[in-house]
Amino acid sequence: GQNIDQPTEMTATEGAIVQINCTYQTSGFNGLFWYQQHAGEAPTFLSYNVLDGLEEKGRFSSFLSRSKGYSYLLLKELQMKDSASYLCAVRDRRSSNTGKLIFGQGTTLQVKP
Amino acid sequence: DADVTQTPRNRITKTGKRIMLECSQTKGHDRMYWYRQDPGLGLQLIYYSFDVKDINKGEISDGYSVSRQAQAKFSLSLESAIPNQTALYFCATSEGVAEGSARETQYFGPGTRLLVL
Repeated sequence: GQNIDQPTEMTATEGAIVQINCTYQTSGFNGLFWYQQHAGEAPTFLSYNVLDGLEEKGRFSSFLSRSKGYSYLLLKELQMKDSASYLCAVRDRRSSNTGKLIFGQGTTLQVKP
Repeated sequence: DADVTQTPRNRITKTGKRIMLECSQTKGHDRMYWYRQDPGLGLQLIYYSFDVKDINKGEISDGYSVSRQAQAKFSLSLESAIPNQTALYFCATSEGVAEGSARETQYFGPGTRLLVL
């Protein structure tokens, strides 16, 4: 089966760094996505990892360890507008020809002044 | 203009009514998806379609049906709405490329907020 776990809520301070973790269990891993979703809005793509290591994109970075079934999203220099839900989604090999993703429940991040 | 559009954006209906949610895309993608999102539960896949001739059930298809009228259009119907179908519904598209590619990311419409009384 497939299972994705993320913390439900996190709080951080403006200007700080926050790490949002995601652990997954899947029968044959084939890619992990991070999305950002502001309240009441559509999820938007942030990052993609398929190989082990760190992918950096401006203030956001995403890390993957396939052997540990683990990823994290790192947000630096937090801004108030970063307050949102962050969704981890995994694609397994059985879904690779469909593009199907399995989503975690999301982590709601609140950035405080 | 938005690449993925959904209509209506908000809908209130009564139990037992039939309703249709529509999705259109200008991205030229072959793959389209319908999800529902409930608080604390994340996104759950209802149906997905590879192309006009292909329809597949997702995790929670009971009580829903879909129609892929064209490459650009994918509609979701609730034949007889019930209160526990109250949710935020998202349509999404993806390109359909070689596996292991970031281009396989999904692009979401703005969502339809549905309330079933």
